[in-house]
Amino acid sequence: DTEVTQTPKHLVMGMTNKKSLKCEQHMGHRAMYWYKQKAKKPPELMFVYSYEKLSINESVPSRFSPECPNSSLLNLHLHALQPEDSALYLCASSQEGRRATNEKLFFGSGTQLSVL
Amino acid sequence: GDSVTQMEGPVTLSEEAFLTINCTYTATGYPSLFWYVQYPGEGLQLLLKATKADDKGSNKGFEATYRKETTSFHLEKGSVQVSDSAVYFCALSLQGAQKLVFGQGTRLTINP
Repeated sequence: DTEVTQTPKHLVMGMTNKKSLKCEQHMGHRAMYWYKQKAKKPPELMFVYSYEKLSINESVPSRFSPECPNSSLLNLHLHALQPEDSALYLCASSQEGRRATNEKLFFGSGTQLSVL
Repeated sequence: GDSVTQMEGPVTLSEEAFLTINCTYTATGYPSLFWYVQYPGEGLQLLLKATKADDKGSNKGFEATYRKETTSFHLEKGSVQVSDSAVYFCALSLQGAQKLVFGQGTRLTINP
């Protein structure tokens, strides 16, 4: 199983809603990532969890709250989002997430989020 | 800081044409270099990689050679297919997967 599975595939929410994005991998990877991708742009790193601990937070607003319940699961809790937060949210995983420069990322298909 | 510059798209070619997508990088050390591809409606997937100078990465008919002297990692394919239509991202890594630096992406459309 070399897949990263994300749910839901599409999400529409209002600015007062609370919702969660979910990500799962069963490759035994110890690092998991959230990226945000706007149309026609490269992915931008938001958070990294390494061995279930938050290791990188790229100054993301607190209306985005990540959670890593175990080594296979990663959630992104959303609250009071703004229309400019509409984007494709990608989850990724890698084997170790440490300093091995040749380590590759495995991406999920993403959640297309629209904030109204 | 470290950065990746890709040729601007979009690029439109006919089927069986030769493809080159240029990629150059700036880095303070000796990075690993990658090409990721994003097909419509999907996430990114690794296409090929090279970890040191003069290495050639190859996959699915695509090739790229790590050129330290020109700080380049151009993507080539001899005969493109409609199914190669996608967005291609060049990327470098100096500090592991947690610090992957992406180029802006090049959208490729192949017409039958």
